[in-house]
Amino acid sequence: EAGVVQSPRYKIIEKKQPVAFWCNPISGHNTLYWYLQNLGQGPELLIRYENEEAVDDSQLPKDRFSAERLKGVDSTLKIQPAELGDSAVYLCASSFSQGGTEAFFGQGTRLTVV
Amino acid sequence: SQQGEEDPQALSIQEGENATMNCSYKTSINNLQWYRQNSGRGLVHLILIRSNEREKHSGRLRVTLDTSKKSSSLLITASRAADTASYFCATDNYGQNFVFGPGTRLSVLP
Repeated sequence: EAGVVQSPRYKIIEKKQPVAFWCNPISGHNTLYWYLQNLGQGPELLIRYENEEAVDDSQLPKDRFSAERLKGVDSTLKIQPAELGDSAVYLCASSFSQGGTEAFFGQGTRLTVV
Repeated sequence: SQQGEEDPQALSIQEGENATMNCSYKTSINNLQWYRQNSGRGLVHLILIRSNEREKHSGRLRVTLDTSKKSSSLLITASRAADTASYFCATDNYGQNFVFGPGTRLSVLP
């Protein structure tokens, strides 16, 4: 069984440019998460989806970040425009449902904004 | 905000020794999970312990949970160089999101 797939693995962009990350969760997983992880820190939640509905986006900086999960499967996270402080690893995870189940993580996308 | 707080922040031991790391949290939880992250990689789930459980084992891993003290510990016995990684606890707060602590960086020296 394939795990959570993220692309690209690495991305270097200039500040003020747009960038998009893609996530393909494990088949059958209803819950999808996007986390941000700074160096030496734990993951911090950006947004959580239950199927195609964003049920928690309270930590998503909506002035520049947006996300979508079409048809309740794949998801895209976008930043426009990117700032230097956005340099981090963006992790996607999925699980069967929120509560009482483990989350499976992708390898992450390491973003460097120069 | 981070619910869990791992302790110590960093731990260095010799191969074959046991490693113990702790996690403290603030609010009531449904379950607590431990994850491992190798450098530059995604997180790998290690073990889940529910709020009505006190201890759980998986291979060389032993997790305890004390809900009265709002704390958990992860014990890795007979450590190996391959155990070198960052370890995170994550709390599941009754249908809310997994909240991760800052992690413990474990170095196992050959």
